[in-house]
Amino acid sequence: QVQLVQSGAEVKKPGSSVKVSCKTSGGTFSSQSIVWVRQAPGQGLEWMGGSIPILTTKHIAQKFQGRVTITANDSTSTAYIELSSLKSEDTAVYYCARVTTVTQPTGYNYFYMDVWGKGTTVIVSS
Amino acid sequence: DIQVTQSPSSLSASVGDRVTITCRASQDIRNLNWYQHKPGKAPRLLLYGAFALQTGVPSRFSGGGYGTDFTLTIDGLQPEDVATYYCQQFDNLITFGPGTKVDI
Repeated sequence: QVQLVQSGAEVKKPGSSVKVSCKTSGGTFSSQSIVWVRQAPGQGLEWMGGSIPILTTKHIAQKFQGRVTITANDSTSTAYIELSSLKSEDTAVYYCARVTTVTQPTGYNYFYMDVWGKGTTVIVSS
Repeated sequence: DIQVTQSPSSLSASVGDRVTITCRASQDIRNLNWYQHKPGKAPRLLLYGAFALQTGVPSRFSGGGYGTDFTLTIDGLQPEDVATYYCQQFDNLITFGPGTKVDI
């Protein structure tokens, strides 16, 4: 059974960077199918970026462009997200999720996030 | 960008009630998923492609709709269904709705 194991909680100063990892265990790792979602306190789920199947490049949500870097190490089955220039508003739980593709007989593709990490709490505070 | 809205933002119902949450997209979509999220837990996929039930999800959950308007129905609300529910589109990158908090 595939599991996504995330790194531990972080406390960071404003202006610094944080790097969160997400290791795939129990299954095949595909860096092409990991996305990142966060939830700030009292807020909803927010997509940050990641690799979506059949698209050739990683995508970063417009809000985070210039501050987010998403990488992967295939040899360790680990995906990473790095967020720079941290602000207090970046205090949140950060999740990685696997995107699965189901192809219909018509050829149409459905995508969904079916396996999630448990989340990594990042606190930004001076 | 495709925008997604949900209504209501919150609701309170009784055990056994039928509960319906609505999701509206800013343009026609087909890739519409529903998630359940409880505090301190990872989100859980309930339905994909608007109406396909994910393996292991109780049959009291069902989805419907097409185009821009979609629904999630819980037929016979249970105490363990207390959570926030999100719709999410996958037609053009990823967008989540703002969520609907369900209480008993």
